[in-house]
Amino acid sequence: GNSVTQMEGPVTLSEEAFLTINCTYTATGYPSLFWYVQYPGEGLQLLLKATKADDKGSNKGFEATYRKETTSFHLEKGSVQVSDSAVYFCALSDNSSNTGKLIFGQGTTLQVKP
Amino acid sequence: DTGVSQNPRHKITKRGQNVTFRCDPISEHNRLYWYRQTLGQGPEFLTYFQNEAQLEKSRLLSDRFSAERPKGSFSTLEIQRTEQGDSAMYLCASSSSPGFSPLIYNEQFFGPGTRLTVL
Repeated sequence: GNSVTQMEGPVTLSEEAFLTINCTYTATGYPSLFWYVQYPGEGLQLLLKATKADDKGSNKGFEATYRKETTSFHLEKGSVQVSDSAVYFCALSDNSSNTGKLIFGQGTTLQVKP
Repeated sequence: DTGVSQNPRHKITKRGQNVTFRCDPISEHNRLYWYRQTLGQGPEFLTYFQNEAQLEKSRLLSDRFSAERPKGSFSTLEIQRTEQGDSAMYLCASSSSPGFSPLIYNEQFFGPGTRLTVL
C-alpha cells in the first residue's frame, strides 16, 4: 500500500542554518506530494506541493522537488529562523483513487535556536 | 472566519461513554475528511464525504465509530462506548473537488482539531 517515511526528529538547528528534512514514499499510480506544517497550538497548514515528477514546490523560502526516480520529496530551506520551529509532515495523495485522501509521514519536529 | 471549525476543542470523558464531535467545513467545499492523530504520529485517514455521501471508510473506523454529513454541510463524528485507545486528536479537513482530470489537486484545509481524552 501507499506509505510515507520521514526522517526522525527532533532536528535542532541554529538560526540561519541550512535545513533538510528527508521524505521518501511508496505509492501506486501518480501521487501528488505535499509538505504540511503544524505550529505549536495550531492546525495543519499546507506549506507546499508538487503534482508531478520534477515539479518543485516552494513557499516561504522552503523548497521540495518531486523526484520519481528516487521516490523522494525532501524539504529544504537555506536559512531557518526561530519562527520556523514546528512539526513538519510529508504527505501524498494517490490521485488514482479520486478521493483525495492524504497519507502522512510520522512528522519531524524542528527546533531552531537563536 | 471562513476556515474550518471544530467543536469542542477539547473533550474529556470516561471509558464507556459516547462522544460526538462536530466539523463545519469551508462553505463552498463539497469534500470533507476526518483524520485521527495520536501523539508523535502523523494524521491517519478515517473517512471521506463528497457532499452528503460517505464514499470511503478506513479499517481504523470500527463499528463504534459513525460519521454523518446530513445536508452536505457540517459533519459529526460519534464514538460509542469510548475506550482509552480512542484518545487522540480528531482532525477535520475540507476541499473542493478536482476538475475532470484526476491530476488536478485541490488543497485540503484543516480545522484545529478536537482533542479527546478517555479516562
